[in-house]
Amino acid sequence: GQQVMQIPQYQHVQEGEDFTTYCNSSTTLSNIQWYKQRPGGHPVFLIQLVKSGEVKKQKRLTFQFGEAKKNSSLHITATQTTDVGTYFCAGHHAGNNRKLIWGLGTSLAVNP
Amino acid sequence: SAVISQKPSRDICQRGTSLTIQCQVDSQVTMMFWYRQQPGQSLTLIATANQGSEATYESGFVIDKFPISRPNLTFSTLTVSNMSPEDSSIYLCSVGDRGMNEAFFGQGTRLTVV
Repeated sequence: GQQVMQIPQYQHVQEGEDFTTYCNSSTTLSNIQWYKQRPGGHPVFLIQLVKSGEVKKQKRLTFQFGEAKKNSSLHITATQTTDVGTYFCAGHHAGNNRKLIWGLGTSLAVNP
Repeated sequence: SAVISQKPSRDICQRGTSLTIQCQVDSQVTMMFWYRQQPGQSLTLIATANQGSEATYESGFVIDKFPISRPNLTFSTLTVSNMSPEDSSIYLCSVGDRGMNEAFFGQGTRLTVV
């Protein structure tokens, strides 16, 4: 079936270190979205990538969409304690714009 | 963006009973979804709530267990029927526009079945 794999599942970093989470789809995606869920909260939309090879930046966050539109990454530079949470990727598979296929999420812990 | 009010925020229920969760949106939306999220896990789509017709359920979820209503473009309910401890989870309402735009979520309902 359609799957989006996401690694790592957990990541502990020292404040100031960089962090990267990766998503890989078994099939071509129409788009990739990234969400952040704080502990006890609900997922909050961060960004959407649509084009092959697209790169977008939000301050310390850099998002990439692979050339084949099957993989994506989120990179955080110089993590801060406010970055703590679980980061999910989610995408629509080509030909199905009804529902999002979600990655398993990467939980980030930042030690001050 | 859309502002979503989901109620109740949490509940503790006896097994065998039913709980209805409400989702109210501040604007008309095309797509409304119901998810379940176990602690520390990803989101699992239960169903798509269709306005004026029966919901579209995902594999493993059935209408008798999770009846859904969507009387208009701003409101939906999810009922968790004949609850068992295995139904303890967080239930999330989500909305989006047709055309693959971002999803917005309610605050979630934390359900504990005892």
